[in-house]
Amino acid sequence: AQSVTQPDIHITVSEGASLELRCNYSYGATPYLFWYVQSPGQGLQLLLKYFSGDTLVQGIKGFEAEFKRSQSSFNLRKPSVHWSDAAEYFCAVGAGNTDKLIFGTGTRLQVFP
Amino acid sequence: EAGVAQSPRYKIIEKRQSVAFWCNPISGHATLYWYQQILGQGPKLLIQFQNNGVVDDSQLPKDRFSAERLKGVDSTLKIQPAKLEDSAVYLCASRSAGWDTEAFFGQGTRLTVV
Repeated sequence: AQSVTQPDIHITVSEGASLELRCNYSYGATPYLFWYVQSPGQGLQLLLKYFSGDTLVQGIKGFEAEFKRSQSSFNLRKPSVHWSDAAEYFCAVGAGNTDKLIFGTGTRLQVFP
Repeated sequence: EAGVAQSPRYKIIEKRQSVAFWCNPISGHATLYWYQQILGQGPKLLIQFQNNGVVDDSQLPKDRFSAERLKGVDSTLKIQPAKLEDSAVYLCASRSAGWDTEAFFGQGTRLTVV
């Protein structure tokens, strides 16, 4: 069975600073990995996804993530955070054979001006 | 392309009452998920359908929760009777067939049990 760990519950950064949100997964085969963002009262929006190929993937809103098999990680990064990036971020892992999609507990990002 | 539609958006019920949520996935999407998201937590998978068959319902509290997906399209999730701890946002998502597809989420239904 797959699982996801997001070690950081809450992160605070200043606007313009760089950001890295951590995600570790557990899955026996090649995982399919996703980052979603959720603004207050909103549904989940996909930021980026990794299925295969290049381990550095680019997403929307200037986000990127790097898949590191040796570390079982899929960390999300952004070089310069904007105040509008304040939201809850969820990492998810999908199983290729069943399409089961499991989410982490999320990281709440707060951005100070 | 229309997104995943859910209704109602909000629902307040008393404990021990019953409630039903409805989801209309994106047209042609074979996979449909129901998630429960308690405030401050990540979405927890309750049930996954592939067309009108259940793929995974291991986390569904079957003594009170039920779900169906008629004709492999719309789906309903029911709680009977509701408990205070069922207060959460219930999210529906759908996904097309294929190993390299993403799940699209609806806005969710916020349930408050008082």
